[in-house]
Amino acid sequence: KQEVTQIPAALSVPEGENLVLNCSFTDSAIYNLQWFRQDPGKGLTSLLLIQSSQREQTSGRLNASLDKSSGRSTLYIAASQPGDSATYLCAVRDNFNKFYFGSGTKLNVKP
Amino acid sequence: GAGVSQSPRYKVTKRGQDVALRCDPISGHVSLYWYRQALGQGPEFLTYFNYEAQQDKSGLPNDRFSAERPEGSISTLTIQRTEQRDSAMYRCASSLKWPLQGASTEAFFGQGTRLTVV
Repeated sequence: KQEVTQIPAALSVPEGENLVLNCSFTDSAIYNLQWFRQDPGKGLTSLLLIQSSQREQTSGRLNASLDKSSGRSTLYIAASQPGDSATYLCAVRDNFNKFYFGSGTKLNVKP
Repeated sequence: GAGVSQSPRYKVTKRGQDVALRCDPISGHVSLYWYRQALGQGPEFLTYFNYEAQQDKSGLPNDRFSAERPEGSISTLTIQRTEQRDSAMYRCASSLKWPLQGASTEAFFGQGTRLTVV
């Protein structure tokens, strides 16, 4: 069974810092990997999707990389802002259309 | 609709009652997924459909849980004889049918239904 781990579980940084969130998975036979943002009381917002054949995806201040062979993905957030405060979830999709989520990294960006 | 819609947003029920949670996926999305999320954890798979066919229900905890999608659009997750341990956030997602060459397989989630069993 696919196991997804996210480190750190929580992170507090001052505004303006660049930061990296880590995601690791045990089975490299994945279809794609998706990063989500979760805000309290709201749904999951899709941030970036990386297909298994891709190495990275970028959207604005966000950059996600994927190293399938080593079972790792990172989400890089540049110039963090207080509005980036949320829980970030990594989800791996296997070749049977099932998603496996990590427990998330709770980010707090202090003004 | 523009996004995945779930109802109700909040549901409080007494132990032993049956509940039905509804999910209305994005128009044109034929894959629909149900997940359950405990506090402080990531969502865990329950079941998923392609069109009206339930493809995988291996994540349903026991036979009190069932799901249907009779017309390939709206889906209902039903929990019979609810127990306190069923309290959680229930999330629905949809995506274009997978696999589909050249098309996005991005999954979109609804806001969830917070179920509390008292």
